[in-house]
Amino acid sequence: EAGVTQFPSHSVIEKGQTVTLRCDPISGHDNLYWYRRVMGKEIKFLLHFVKESKQDESGMPNNRFLAERTGGTYSTLKVQPAELEDSGVYFCASSQEKIAGVTGELFFGEGSRLTVL
Amino acid sequence: QQQVKQSPQSLIVQKGGISIINCAYENTAFDYFPWYQQFPGKGPALLIAIRPDVSEKKEGRFTISFNKSAKQFSLHIMDSQPGDSATYFCAASEEGGSQGNLIFGKGTKLSVKP
Repeated sequence: EAGVTQFPSHSVIEKGQTVTLRCDPISGHDNLYWYRRVMGKEIKFLLHFVKESKQDESGMPNNRFLAERTGGTYSTLKVQPAELEDSGVYFCASSQEKIAGVTGELFFGEGSRLTVL
Repeated sequence: QQQVKQSPQSLIVQKGGISIINCAYENTAFDYFPWYQQFPGKGPALLIAIRPDVSEKKEGRFTISFNKSAKQFSLHIMDSQPGDSATYFCAASEEGGSQGNLIFGKGTKLSVKP
């Protein structure tokens, strides 16, 4: 079974440009999450989709970030315009819905490293 | 404000030794405490997790110790092996982690020397 896949693995752009990151969750996982790790800091929650709906977007830094999950399958995270402080590794994770009160394990992708120059 | 504080930042252990990583939290509503292991170039992977109704959980060489009154939890790796060299993250969440909104520590880079 394929895991969570992310594309691109590494993107280098200049300040002011636009970048779109893509995440394909594990098939059948309704929950999809975006996290970000800035160098040397903790991994921080950005937002959570349940199918195509945004369940929680409290971690989104500002309105330069736009996440979508059309059709409840793959998701994209667009940064426009990118700033220097947006550099970091963006992780996507997915999980099954909670069953009988048991939390579905989060499966993380390998991440998309974004470098803004 | 950092909600989960993790220490040490880095750790070097000899093969066969015990690796200990500590985490502390403030939010008493947290009720799910997982540890993630991340190898270079890979994503974090769930290693072991505990809920506050138990004080210890063991899976193979990995043990979580949980102290609810002190709001601390730790990961012990017994008989550490070079293959355990990785970055370890503790995390916490509310409502059994159902929302997937995990609060992570900053990570500990573990190196196990042969």
